[in-house]
Amino acid sequence: DTAVSQTPKYLVTQMGNDKSIKCEQNLGHDTMYWYKQDSKKFLKIMFSYNNKELIINETVPNRFSPKSPDKAHLNLHINSLELGDSAVYFCASSQKPPYYGYTFGSGTRLTVV
Amino acid sequence: KQEVTQIPAALSVPEGENLVLNCSFTDSAIYNLQWFRQDPGKGLTSLLLIQSSQREQTSGRLNASLDKSSGRSTLYIAASQPGDSATYLCAVVNDYKLSFGAGTTVTVRA
Repeated sequence: DTAVSQTPKYLVTQMGNDKSIKCEQNLGHDTMYWYKQDSKKFLKIMFSYNNKELIINETVPNRFSPKSPDKAHLNLHINSLELGDSAVYFCASSQKPPYYGYTFGSGTRLTVV
Repeated sequence: KQEVTQIPAALSVPEGENLVLNCSFTDSAIYNLQWFRQDPGKGLTSLLLIQSSQREQTSGRLNASLDKSSGRSTLYIAASQPGDSATYLCAVVNDYKLSFGAGTTVTVRA
């Protein structure tokens, strides 16, 4: 009964490919997020959805497109992958407002070769 | 724009010593502050959550304080153990956005 689950855990792909990462939460939270952790281990927000509506869209290349079919799912699709996209991507969820804090998934390590 | 700074970046202590991890943030209009632990190659585990109206939170050997007006939080870990070795991340919430510091990597030597 994992609270926030991401698949796949590891993803190795070639430059130029398109890939998706899936995220699901069973906490009943209203808001979901994608964070990127770069090689220096710094975590930065990419997107946030509240009840299927995009509310935060940081300066992210438009090759990255989040999709939220319902409030329990937030997927991340990446087109034309580049070497610099290699990172760990974390999904998270919270209530709105986040009175009880944030819950994170275990991460997806994306390696572009 | 919120900036979160954690000092020191790394810390190595012998087992049994108390740990003091510092976090500072530039925008004091935070909703709450959360401390996380990250083990190598793993996800983030929430340790403590402090609401903006609170001064501290405690869980077992962990105690976190918050001084919102000065933009500071401190995580204390008493009687450290080798199992406490990890990276500790401080994160603050503004406008539903969680901003992280770069973390403090702790090594507890047996």
